[in-house]
Amino acid sequence: EAQVTQNPRYLITVTGKKLTVTCSQNMNHEYMSWYRQDPGLGLRQIYYSMNVEVTDKGDVPEGYKVSRKEKRNFPLILESPSPNQTSLYFCASKPWGPQGNEKLFFGSGTQLSVL
Amino acid sequence: GESVGLHLPTLSVQEGDNSIINCAYSNSASDYFIWYKQESGKGPQFIIDIRSNMDKRQGQRVTVLLNKTVKHLSLQIAATQPGDSAVYFCAENSGTSYDKVIFGPGTSLSVIP
Repeated sequence: EAQVTQNPRYLITVTGKKLTVTCSQNMNHEYMSWYRQDPGLGLRQIYYSMNVEVTDKGDVPEGYKVSRKEKRNFPLILESPSPNQTSLYFCASKPWGPQGNEKLFFGSGTQLSVL
Repeated sequence: GESVGLHLPTLSVQEGDNSIINCAYSNSASDYFIWYKQESGKGPQFIIDIRSNMDKRQGQRVTVLLNKTVKHLSLQIAATQPGDSAVYFCAENSGTSYDKVIFGPGTSLSVIP
């Protein structure tokens, strides 16, 4: 089944304790992206990657890191989490089709709470 | 700046009625538009898309209309069902910008049985 898999689904941590949220897609998509979703603010892009070893900042990259060593994986790293990073996080991927842009496929989300 | 916005944050409709969710966009260069549905506790899911060379596209019970003159996008859901209750997002892409997807803030649709 074609899917984007995020882990963990829920995560509670404390300020300053490094964490990684994993994301994997099995559709051979070039493009992958991380979003955070907060009430009243919609979906905001954190980082994206257009291919292996190519990553770029989105709209809200501060406090986050990413890597793209393999096409299928795009982990989100919080080196020193803070309470303002408490949010619902989504990983997504998409192909580059014959007509150009295509739709995003989203993971199920990771609810992160930083105490 | 570039933005995609929805006119109403919430919408309530009676089961069986038709729903219309609206979206305005400001980037004239956008040429690909998508509607996503997000059910509670889940990630957004693709519903329907449309490219700028079309003004209407139909799916199963859903229709997307694109009016490039006034930069307006709408999603019509026919015979709305309780399972349609969700938050609906419109999103835009520029054909020259593979990286950027701009999401609207979303409309929460509630279906009254």
